[in-house]
Amino acid sequence: AQTVTQSQPEMSVQEAETVTLSCTYDTSENNYYLFWYKQPPSRQMILVIRQEAYKQQNATENRFSVNFQKAAKSFSLKISDSQLGDTAMYFCAFSLQGGSEKLVFGKGTKLTVNP
Amino acid sequence: DSGVTQTPKHLITATGQRVTLRCSPRSGDLSVYWYQQSLDQGLQFLIQYYNGEERAKGNILERFSAQQFPDLHSELNLSSLELGDSALYFCASSVEGLYTDTQYFGPGTRLTVL
Repeated sequence: AQTVTQSQPEMSVQEAETVTLSCTYDTSENNYYLFWYKQPPSRQMILVIRQEAYKQQNATENRFSVNFQKAAKSFSLKISDSQLGDTAMYFCAFSLQGGSEKLVFGKGTKLTVNP
Repeated sequence: DSGVTQTPKHLITATGQRVTLRCSPRSGDLSVYWYQQSLDQGLQFLIQYYNGEERAKGNILERFSAQQFPDLHSELNLSSLELGDSALYFCASSVEGLYTDTQYFGPGTRLTVL
C-alpha cells in the first residue's frame, strides 16, 4: 500500500519570503501522480500543483513549484513570494492513476504567513 | 468554485441516528469519490462510484453505504452514528477515463454527532 508522509506539522514564513514544504512517499510502482492540495480556513480543497512521475521536469504554477526526486521518493513544494492568502493547510497526495483513482493523503502541514 | 456541490453544509445529529449526505458532481464527470476528514485519521478515501457502479472501496465502515444514481449524483448514508463519526465529509469528482488530471472537491459536509 502507498503511504505519504509530511514531517512538518506546522511552519511559518514572513510575507514575501520563500518556504518549502516537505513530502515523502512510499510505493513500489513506477508510474504514479503526486499532488499538493491547499485547504484554507474555508475548508475547501484546492489543487495547487500536480506532477506525473514519468516527467522528469519539475512542475510549476506561478509562485508554486515542486522539487520531485523520484529515486528518493521526495516531493517538496516551494512557495515563492509568500502571500497572506497562502495561509492554509497543505496536503501532499499520491495516486496511481491521476484523477481516476483514490488519493492517498499525508497528514498535512499547517502554513502560516505572517505580515 | 469547483463545480461540485454538496448538501447540507452542516449536519448535527445524535448518536444512533441515520443521515444522508448528497453530492452532485461537475457536469460531465462520471466518477464520484467520498473522503472523510477527521482530526485523528486525517483525510481518508471511503468509496468510489463510476457511472452508477461501485469501483473501489477504502476504509468505509459497514454502517456506511453509498450509491450513485442515473443522474450521476451520489449519496453517502451513515447509520447507527457514533461520536467518532463526527468529521468533514468531502465528495470529489473526475471525468471519465484513465489518467485524468485530477479530482475536484466539493465544499464538504460537516457532520457533528452529539
